[in-house]
Amino acid sequence: SYELTQPPSVSVSPGQTASLTCSGENLGDKYVSWYQQTPGQSPVVVIFQDNKRPSGVPERFSGSHSGNTATLTISGTQAMDEADYYCQTWDSSTFVFGPGTKVAVL
Amino acid sequence: ITLKESGPTLVKPTQTLTLTCSFSGFSFTTSGVWMGWVRQPPGKALEWLAVIHWDDDERYSPSLKSRLTITKDTSKNQVVLTMTNMGPEDTATYFCVHIFGAFGGLSVFDIWGQGTPVTVSS
Repeated sequence: SYELTQPPSVSVSPGQTASLTCSGENLGDKYVSWYQQTPGQSPVVVIFQDNKRPSGVPERFSGSHSGNTATLTISGTQAMDEADYYCQTWDSSTFVFGPGTKVAVL
Repeated sequence: ITLKESGPTLVKPTQTLTLTCSFSGFSFTTSGVWMGWVRQPPGKALEWLAVIHWDDDERYSPSLKSRLTITKDTSKNQVVLTMTNMGPEDTATYFCVHIFGAFGGLSVFDIWGQGTPVTVSS
């Protein structure tokens, strides 16, 4: 089965930039979405189709994709951005989620 | 669009779980609408389970396909998931989701319910 790889955790200082990566075999041929999940809440999509931002999502969230790695960038990170972030793609008629990255704003 | 899950919070091993998602704000008779279920064990990652199309096309996670059934009741604005032979490893929060886009690489889970916790224990 297809697998996505994400670093377990990322630490960032307030106001700095956080870069979260998501990698997988042939990921360059697939679209990637990113979901933010704060403790006790349901996930919320922050980026879809690699780099599209849903209405209502702050501009500090951006997505990119190069080769087999997709990246979610949070510019000017705020305390409210502390959450788990999951990447997601589609492979062989299956939706696949990554293991998630916990972002700590210290 | 709002989604709300309901169902038992506790089931015994080997029992069948039935979860209902009640939704509002859109009609399942609208062409192109997909809805589905995702679960999350405590402290673990999200896992896709199943989706259903407005025209009754159903798709399942290969690893759980033999245990899952997803149906819809358009008149009640509900989507129902059944999972047979429940075990402790199925303990999780189960989310109902609305999917934007056709079933495929362009899809995104754009609306999520609040989730309903299910514990499997005797």
